[in-house]
Amino acid sequence: EADIYQTPRYLVIGTGKKITLECSQTMGHDKMYWYQQDPGMELHLIHYSYGVNSTEKGDLSSESTVSRIRTEHFPLTLESARPSHTSQYLCASSEYRGSGANVLTFGAGSRLTVL
Amino acid sequence: QQPVQSPQAVILREGEDAVINCSSSKALYSVHWYRQKHGEAPIFLMILLKGGEQKGHDKISASFNEKKQQSSLYLTASQLSYSGTYFCGTGDYTGGFKTIFGAGTRLFVKA
Repeated sequence: EADIYQTPRYLVIGTGKKITLECSQTMGHDKMYWYQQDPGMELHLIHYSYGVNSTEKGDLSSESTVSRIRTEHFPLTLESARPSHTSQYLCASSEYRGSGANVLTFGAGSRLTVL
Repeated sequence: QQPVQSPQAVILREGEDAVINCSSSKALYSVHWYRQKHGEAPIFLMILLKGGEQKGHDKISASFNEKKQQSSLYLTASQLSYSGTYFCGTGDYTGGFKTIFGAGTRLFVKA
């Protein structure tokens, strides 16, 4: 049973369109993340958030932006999609388990194809 | 800094063992291990926080060396269900709660 939800699961869109990938979690986690993953490849951190009104860029530069107005919601936006944005985007949230252990729970992902 | 995983890929027969390594050039705060099956989200396996720590469940275990710069994941008597890509994720003392993942190790277990 998923506690972190991503929509849409699949999106095919033309160049120049604005898109928003939605991510919601019901676990009350403060910390949330966006990772970008090309098929069969590594996970790259592109954005993360400590909590409401907090957003930070990850280690991989991305033209996308994020917002965190509510604890449970962490949408990712591309103002003008390009073919180079074609990828899978994975949202995650983390639970603090003491002693600095932040364990990630991932959503099912949004697979974006830009034509 | 991204941790280095090795090997990149492993092919096993059912019942064989495998070791996946994850290393960093600097001391790590934590090491996470995740498994991702094709078309699915990564699933958490375990986390190690202390130098010299070893932990595991069923036939999958992991260790974290004393200097906290290397971790190994041990898969014993592999089963078909172990197939997938294994990622180590690391947190360092400067990165806060960010988890940075290695490139992954693709494991294929055949009957």
